[in-house]
Amino acid sequence: GAGVSQSPSNKVTEKGKDVELRCDPISGHTALYWYRQSLGQGLEFLIYFQGNSAPDKSGLPSDRFSAERTGGSVSTLTIQRTQQEDSAVYLCASSLGSSGDLYEQYFGPGTRLTVT
Amino acid sequence: AQKITQTQPGMFVQEKEAVTLDCTYDTSDQSYGLFWYKQPSSGEMIFLIYQGSYDEQNATEGRYSLNFQKARKSANLVISASQLGDSAMYFCAMREYNYGQNFVFGPGTRLSVLP
Repeated sequence: GAGVSQSPSNKVTEKGKDVELRCDPISGHTALYWYRQSLGQGLEFLIYFQGNSAPDKSGLPSDRFSAERTGGSVSTLTIQRTQQEDSAVYLCASSLGSSGDLYEQYFGPGTRLTVT
Repeated sequence: AQKITQTQPGMFVQEKEAVTLDCTYDTSDQSYGLFWYKQPSSGEMIFLIYQGSYDEQNATEGRYSLNFQKARKSANLVISASQLGDSAMYFCAMREYNYGQNFVFGPGTRLSVLP
């Protein structure tokens, strides 16, 4: 079946430009997460959407970062005025939510962002 | 303070042998879940195994088992009969069901399986 998809797979942008990263979760998954993974590092939580609840934005590193999720499905992560330190792989994950191992996250392939 | 600690940045194991990857965690929540993920060099994150804080038995999934010691707050991953394809980064993660709404990942352990 279809997994989590992300686009673009690679994005090179100039410092100061805005970028949008897209995530299509698995159909029926109510929870959606964005993470950032810098080279050789672990995952850094950015934002979490659960159903129609207000998102948990506690991981967003600055106000240049924002995300939205339309219709409880597709999500877009926007980075404004990109900086070189924003260069990383941005991973999206979705889960069925609820309880126990239903929290298992299925990850997309990621978007590699390079800010020059 | 680190919520998830993985003290082994790198590990080597001989093919067909068992290996244990360490994970300790910190939480005051009584209800939480522990997860292990594998990330091969291709970059995708692959779910391996889950342990709930109230589960009395250690979780097992094929060659993977989780050695859960609640009092010590440790959740070590045991891989039996290592295969060359097990070479990857392994991340331990935790979700607190009452206090937090997001996952916290450890820094990872790079496992290399030697032929």
